[in-house]
Amino acid sequence: EDQVTQSPEALRLQEGESSSLNCSYTVSGLRGLFWYRQDPGKGPEFLFTLYSAGEEKEKERLKATLTKKESFLHITAPKPEDSATYLCVGPSNTGKLIFGQGTTLQVKP
Amino acid sequence: EPEVTQTPSHQVTQMGQEVILRCVPISNHLYFYWYRQILGQKVEFLVSFYNNEISEKSEIFDDQFSVERPDGSNFTLKIRSTKLEDSAMYFCASSESPPGNHEQFFGPGTRLTVL
Repeated sequence: EDQVTQSPEALRLQEGESSSLNCSYTVSGLRGLFWYRQDPGKGPEFLFTLYSAGEEKEKERLKATLTKKESFLHITAPKPEDSATYLCVGPSNTGKLIFGQGTTLQVKP
Repeated sequence: EPEVTQTPSHQVTQMGQEVILRCVPISNHLYFYWYRQILGQKVEFLVSFYNNEISEKSEIFDDQFSVERPDGSNFTLKIRSTKLEDSAMYFCASSESPPGNHEQFFGPGTRLTVL
């Protein structure tokens, strides 16, 4: 069964306290991995695409990495505006996206 | 910056009524999708649409659901006879490349409340 699992479910950090979010996946015909950000009551906002093991992508305080079975989203010196739910998403070869349950990040000033 | 738009932002309906949720995908995109998110749960795939026909649908997308691209810009999801369990956020998404090759861009969602 296609599955994307994220941990932890929730993460509370102080401003400036770096951490990492984990995503493990078993999606048949997986063609890369996406990270999205979702704010409450809003649609998912695209962040990164990772296509192959060893690949890294960066955007401001976020860096996403990919291995054969896992992906990590590293958050360096987060700010309160980074508070959101971060979604790991596996695109199958048929196009449908398989979503993880998300990690809800709260960054306190 | 191009974006996916959805209307209405919130729809309240009585059980058994028909609803139509509307989406305007990004203009040069050719692949269209509907997803839903029940409160507190994962985002779930409903259906994908390309070249005026359904490419794939999930087991959730039963006979009460239908999709249509009535003109060159709109993409709609119709629920014929709403049930209480249809209450959810419904997201439209679009992509420019074949499925699996490119990211999908999501609209802000329509919150459907069935009473």
